[in-house]
Amino acid sequence: EIVMTQSPATLSVSPGDRATVSCRASQSVSSNLAWYQQRPGQAPRLLIYGASTRATGIPARFSGSGSGTEFTLTISSLQSEDFAVYYCQQYNDWPPTWTFGQGTKVEIK
Amino acid sequence: EVQLLVSAGGLVQPGGSLRLSCAGSGFAFVTYGMFWVRQAPGKGLEWVSTISGSGGSTYYADSVKGRFIISRDNSKSTLYLQMNSLRVEDTAVYYCAKGAREGFIDSWGQGTLVTVSS
Repeated sequence: EIVMTQSPATLSVSPGDRATVSCRASQSVSSNLAWYQQRPGQAPRLLIYGASTRATGIPARFSGSGSGTEFTLTISSLQSEDFAVYYCQQYNDWPPTWTFGQGTKVEIK
Repeated sequence: EVQLLVSAGGLVQPGGSLRLSCAGSGFAFVTYGMFWVRQAPGKGLEWVSTISGSGGSTYYADSVKGRFIISRDNSKSTLYLQMNSLRVEDTAVYYCAKGAREGFIDSWGQGTLVTVSS
């Protein structure tokens, strides 16, 4: 089973600053990595798939990078609506499993 | 627009059963794999189960294998999760979600709370 580990658990950032969230897989997942945003009281929302492709309607300030076992989600200039919890998820395993990271909370500094 | 409407959850005693349903609209339901994902109170997301578009392939997390059954009725564009032998640790908000062809989740429904307690 592939284990996904995110860091940090909590990130305190000022509005307008850059935020960087890391995600590490216990074995290679190629580029089969997605990022989701979850605001309080809401369902998650797809941000990034294929490690670096923004989903439809996602602002350009969100970017993803990495492949293999190391991945990064970057928010270039945090807006008020970006303070939320972010999850990475791999979809490369066989037999198929869809493992999530434990989440990173981006909070206002 | 993709819409996923999940049935109400509820309170169930340990050892009991509950079936969730999820009605999909706005997309060709039969074409896409579908997921159940859950979130315990104050915790992160946990993948529960996935079913292929035809229903011929199903996959389960170890934590629910042998107790939960995922199924779908493509004629009704509806996904199901039959939950048996429920445990206190199954208490969570359960989300229905649509898969993309590449395998990731691209759309989520609203969650429904299932509480397992005596």
